Amino acid sequence: DAKTTQPPSMDCAEGRAANLPCNHSTISGNEYVYWYRQIHSQGPQYIIHGLKNNETNEMASLIITEDRKSSTLILPHATLRDTAVYYCIVRLPPGGKLIFGQGTELSVKP
Amino acid sequence: DGGITQSPKYLFRKEGQNVTLSCEQNLNHDAMYWYRQDPGQGLRLIYYSQIVNDFQKGDIAEGYSVSREKKESFPLTVTSAQKNPTAFYLCASSRGQIGYTFGSGTRLTVV
Repeated sequence: DAKTTQPPSMDCAEGRAANLPCNHSTISGNEYVYWYRQIHSQGPQYIIHGLKNNETNEMASLIITEDRKSSTLILPHATLRDTAVYYCIVRLPPGGKLIFGQGTELSVKP
Repeated sequence: DGGITQSPKYLFRKEGQNVTLSCEQNLNHDAMYWYRQDPGQGLRLIYYSQIVNDFQKGDIAEGYSVSREKKESFPLTVTSAQKNPTAFYLCASSRGQIGYTFGSGTRLTVV
């Protein structure tokens, strides 16, 4: 499984967009990029995933570069409740195991 | 509502005792997973199972055992061979490309 690299921490002002980067330079052609977040002492929550194309859902947008070596998770209007650790993971289909890195601790400040 | 249930939420174990953590899902997911999380750290994979009666070791399987006799259930036993069992344990399930669904976790403390 390809490994991912994320900054350990980021700050974002409430109401602004939060852009969380992830490098996955060794990703293979059939590996998906998944994003999860974990609020303290809870189970991780699925956010979004994608293969090649940019994806958007009610929670976030995922931008994947054309060479697929990096991606960005965008929370368009961050709120205080978005404060969490965000994990970027690559995963083989159809049921490949998720290998978590250290993640990015996002702090949304008023 | 479908979901994944872990019990108990908090568990205390004396040194040298085996304990079993429960994980049940009613999502009809084929695959199930156990992770361990230490304070300030990411999740590490202990064991996973893609189908009933089959399971594989993850990155830190030593001192743990599992069974998968039913699709809905994937209990984890923390044995006395696990030298540092105090941690937060998370169970998850998945089907195909669908993202994992996680339980709310069990916090195990050795006393």
